[in-house]
Amino acid sequence: GNSVTQMEGPVTLSEEAFLTINCTYTATGYPSLFWYVQYPGEGLQLLLKATKADDKGSNKGFEATYRKETTSFHLEKGSVQVSDSAVYFCALSRSGGSYIPTFGRGTSLIVHP
Amino acid sequence: DTAVSQTPKYLVTQMGNDKSIKCEQNLGHDTMYWYKQDSKKFLKIMFSYNNKELIINETVPNRFSPKSPDKAHLNLHINSLELGDSAVYFCASSQEGRGGNTIYFGEGSWLTVV
Repeated sequence: GNSVTQMEGPVTLSEEAFLTINCTYTATGYPSLFWYVQYPGEGLQLLLKATKADDKGSNKGFEATYRKETTSFHLEKGSVQVSDSAVYFCALSRSGGSYIPTFGRGTSLIVHP
Repeated sequence: DTAVSQTPKYLVTQMGNDKSIKCEQNLGHDTMYWYKQDSKKFLKIMFSYNNKELIINETVPNRFSPKSPDKAHLNLHINSLELGDSAVYFCASSQEGRGGNTIYFGEGSWLTVV
């Protein structure tokens, strides 16, 4: 079956530090890959996505590259801010009415001033 | 305008009660979902509807019953609430198409059973 594995958190960083949150997946076919972010007390919202191999998704200074050869979609940001503190979810999905979107367990990021 | 809205946001109720959570999306999407998020932030899909028809029904107690009166609405009714039902419930929607199915989530409904 399909699965998404994320590094366990919490990840604790100082402001302006470099961030990497690892994500690997197993899936049949050619899924699209996503990162969602959940701020405290809110729902999940799309941060970025990539729909095919070697695509790079980017938004708000975050980036992730769809690596088919390593089945990975690691999230990176060069300089984190306190406002980036949230839970980050890696996910995969594909077209198809009965396809179940698959989420990782989430990685909590805490950024200190 | 909220794309996926669910009510109530907070719900505190006693064991054994029956409660409903309502969800509406104004995105014109064909597919709607209910997810349960536990205290460790783990997201578990409960149900998925496509054009008012149930297409995914994960292992969920039959005390949980989804109802989709039209493709813009997917309500969740829970009978005989138990302590273990305390969680955050998220409604979501997506649209079939190329580029994968981005899922749009509501703000969540915080259910506490006492």
